[in-house]
Amino acid sequence: DAKTTQPPSMDCAEGRAANLPCNHSTISGNEYVYWYRQIHSQGPQYIIHGLKNNETNEMASLIITEDRKSSTLILPHATLRDTAVYYCIVRVSISGTYKYIFGTGTRLKVLA
Amino acid sequence: NAGVTQTPKFQVLKTGQSMTLQCAQDMNHNSMYWYRQDPGMGLRLIYYSASEGTTDKGEVPNGYNVSRLNKREFSLRLESAAPSQTSVYFCASSYLQPNTEAFFGQGTRLTVV
Repeated sequence: DAKTTQPPSMDCAEGRAANLPCNHSTISGNEYVYWYRQIHSQGPQYIIHGLKNNETNEMASLIITEDRKSSTLILPHATLRDTAVYYCIVRVSISGTYKYIFGTGTRLKVLA
Repeated sequence: NAGVTQTPKFQVLKTGQSMTLQCAQDMNHNSMYWYRQDPGMGLRLIYYSASEGTTDKGEVPNGYNVSRLNKREFSLRLESAAPSQTSVYFCASSYLQPNTEAFFGQGTRLTVV
């Protein structure tokens, strides 16, 4: 019951911005959008999250459309170490806590 | 900071054997989770524990049991391993507050032959 849709793969030149899109058209009003990445089957690494406002941290920026049906993760200056699978996740409420629903992600390859 | 620690990192089991995967977190998180990841796929939730003393089934609980031993520790048990349980298992933890994130361990790679 993945709630997000992402392109399976993308390439980006080193030093350029990587823009990773995500559709989450069935998102509910109180559900957050999270982005994680996974490098070489290591544990998923948190990148950023947001509810309805755009967010920025030291790793990335998250742009959420006004209707909240889609978002874009921006890595401003991609490096070779950013090559990974990026997961856009809608976090839903369940039985007193939250569930992170993973889709199949976008495999980003940063090219030298 | 250790974060979320999983043991063991690798394990090979024979069909029918049992084993327990251990997970501990040192961040005083309320909730803990077990996921599995099969090749080329995203993570799927096996079981979760909203808080100490509670556990609930996720999307793929068959063949597994869990124990929330205390606030820090959440174990996953395979009573009779099957080849279909060959996977990478990830433990995660988080606070209950809405504007927070989950932290994941580095995984246990399990092969059942």
